[in-house]
Amino acid sequence: ELKVEQNPLFLSMQEGKNYTIYCNYSTTSDRLYWYRQDPGKSLESLFVLLSNGAVKQEGRLMASLDTKARLSTLHITAAVHDLSATYFCTISAGNQFYFGTGTSLTVIP
Amino acid sequence: GAGVSQSPRYKVAKRGQDVALRCDPISGHVSLFWYQQALGQGPEFLTYFQNEAQLDKSGLPSDRFFAERPEGSVSTLKIQRTQQEDSAVYLCASSLAGQFVYEQFFGPGTRLTVL
Repeated sequence: ELKVEQNPLFLSMQEGKNYTIYCNYSTTSDRLYWYRQDPGKSLESLFVLLSNGAVKQEGRLMASLDTKARLSTLHITAAVHDLSATYFCTISAGNQFYFGTGTSLTVIP
Repeated sequence: GAGVSQSPRYKVAKRGQDVALRCDPISGHVSLFWYQQALGQGPEFLTYFQNEAQLDKSGLPSDRFFAERPEGSVSTLKIQRTQQEDSAVYLCASSLAGQFVYEQFFGPGTRLTVL
């Protein structure tokens, strides 16, 4: 059974702190995505990672991919309140996309 | 330009009613996906179209769910005889690509509540 597991599921962190969200998946995939979802809103694409060792950065977020370990990380640097949202890791197999359960991030002042 | 739009944004149905949810993809986008997102969960794949062809419907939870895209643009997800467990947000996404979907653009979703 194909699984995408994220941890932690809930994360409360203070502004200015660093933290990492982990995503483990159970099968070979050729693409890994990170999405952001604000309450009541749709999904916004953050990163697409295509190959082993890929690293992408945008602002305070950095995503990496280790295909051998079937692990992706989303690292948050010096968190700010605007980053509060739910973050989803997603893998694709063919043209099917499988989402993790999400990590709900709350950044507190 | 215009993104993916969905209507209605909110739908309340009595158990046993039929509902129809509409998705307008980005113009020219070949691929269209439907997902079901239960409260507190990640989206789950329902079905996938390439133009008007429904290439994968393995995620549809029962034969009460039916999707169509007759002219390869607008799509409708129909749920017959709705049940309480159908309550969820239904997301539509489209992609310019056909065979190899690299990036999806999501609509705002339709929140369905079945009483």
